[in-house]
Amino acid sequence: KNQVEQSPQSLIILEGKNCTLQCNYTVSPFSNLRWYKQDTGRGPVSLTIMTFSENTKSNGRYTATLDADTKQSSLHITASQLSDSASYICVVSASVTDKLIFGTGTRLQVFP
Amino acid sequence: DVKVTQSSRYLVKRTGEKVFLECVQDMDHENMFWYRQDPGLGLRLIYFSYDVKMKEKGDIPEGYSVSREKKERFSLILESASTNQTSMYLCASSLEGGPAMGDTQYFGPGTRLTVL
Repeated sequence: KNQVEQSPQSLIILEGKNCTLQCNYTVSPFSNLRWYKQDTGRGPVSLTIMTFSENTKSNGRYTATLDADTKQSSLHITASQLSDSASYICVVSASVTDKLIFGTGTRLQVFP
Repeated sequence: DVKVTQSSRYLVKRTGEKVFLECVQDMDHENMFWYRQDPGLGLRLIYFSYDVKMKEKGDIPEGYSVSREKKERFSLILESASTNQTSMYLCASSLEGGPAMGDTQYFGPGTRLTVL
């Protein structure tokens, strides 16, 4: 069964600190993996998309990694800001079904 | 910038009412999608459309229908609302092709529907 699992479910950090969010998937055959940021009361916004051959991709203070062998991805946030408080959703695309499989998200709260 | 708008941010309806949720995108995207989002669950696809007047069932279409009469507008219809349809509804659009081709979906702000 195609699944995407994220950890932790929630995370609290202090402003200025770094953090790493995890995503494990069992989707096969794999096509690509996206990270979305969803602010409270808003729709998700794409941060990065990674294909099979990409190991690392950065978007400002956000850096995503992908290990296609172990089927794991991480999102690292550097020097966190209050505006980083949001849910971060990992989404994997299956190439055969052409569907998106969504994780349940990690809720990040950044406090001053 | 792609803009996807949804007709209401918050909606309260009674059981048995017919409910219309409207979504409009302004970037001439071919594909449009309706999802629902519930606590502890990932986004779940209700219906999608790859062209005008075309619709395909997603993973949880029961109790819903859709309409796409114009390219920019995709409507979700709850024929007879029930309490288990209380949820956040998210509309999305993408240019063309599918997720496997790297096509990014752009989401609207969501409609939080409460059915009493």
